[in-house]
Amino acid sequence: AQSVTQLGSHVSVSEGALVLLRCNYSSSVPPYLFWYVQYPNQGLQLLLKYTSAATLVKGINGFEAEFKKSETSFHLTKPSAHMSDAAEYFCAVLTGTASKLTFGTGTRLQVTL
Amino acid sequence: ETGVTQTPRHLVMGMTNKKSLKCEQHLGHNAMYWYKQSAKKPLELMFVYNFKEQTENNSVPSRFSPECPNSSHLFLHLHTLQPEDSALYLCASSQAGGRELFFGEGSRLTVL
Repeated sequence: AQSVTQLGSHVSVSEGALVLLRCNYSSSVPPYLFWYVQYPNQGLQLLLKYTSAATLVKGINGFEAEFKKSETSFHLTKPSAHMSDAAEYFCAVLTGTASKLTFGTGTRLQVTL
Repeated sequence: ETGVTQTPRHLVMGMTNKKSLKCEQHLGHNAMYWYKQSAKKPLELMFVYNFKEQTENNSVPSRFSPECPNSSHLFLHLHTLQPEDSALYLCASSQAGGRELFFGEGSRLTVL
């Protein structure tokens, strides 16, 4: 069985501040891990993915995430938040084909001036 | 433009209506999915089709009836829905056996 936990349903940061969105996973086999972003009234867009290659993964829009096996974590970071980053972010874990993708409950990121 | 197009984007229907949601993908994929996204809940996988054949039905009530006439098109037929069925319905596609999903922009359904 696999599961994913996102700590914090809402995160608020100031523009220019560090963004840190937390994701912990549970998996009995080496997982694939994903971060998706959902802007208002839109579907989910892939930000980045970990597929057992480099543990530090760079994605679009300046985001990156680090796979830490010892901590079963895959936290999403961005050095400097921009207003356009305001959205909902979903972490997901996969141990098989795409139909077995398990999503977290999401973290809504608010960026303030 | 994600390569996965959903129509309509918004739908309001009464509990006795019959309506359909449509999804079309232009990515050459051969697996398609319906997800339900409700407030405060994780995304729920409803149905999976591989090469037009339904391979997963996650205990979805029969008032939701999917149809996949070919690898590029997926429908969700709706009949006698309940207010709790109000949600964002997301279509996605992938290569069969693949690990990356490509999502459409969703159809926001409101059941009165």
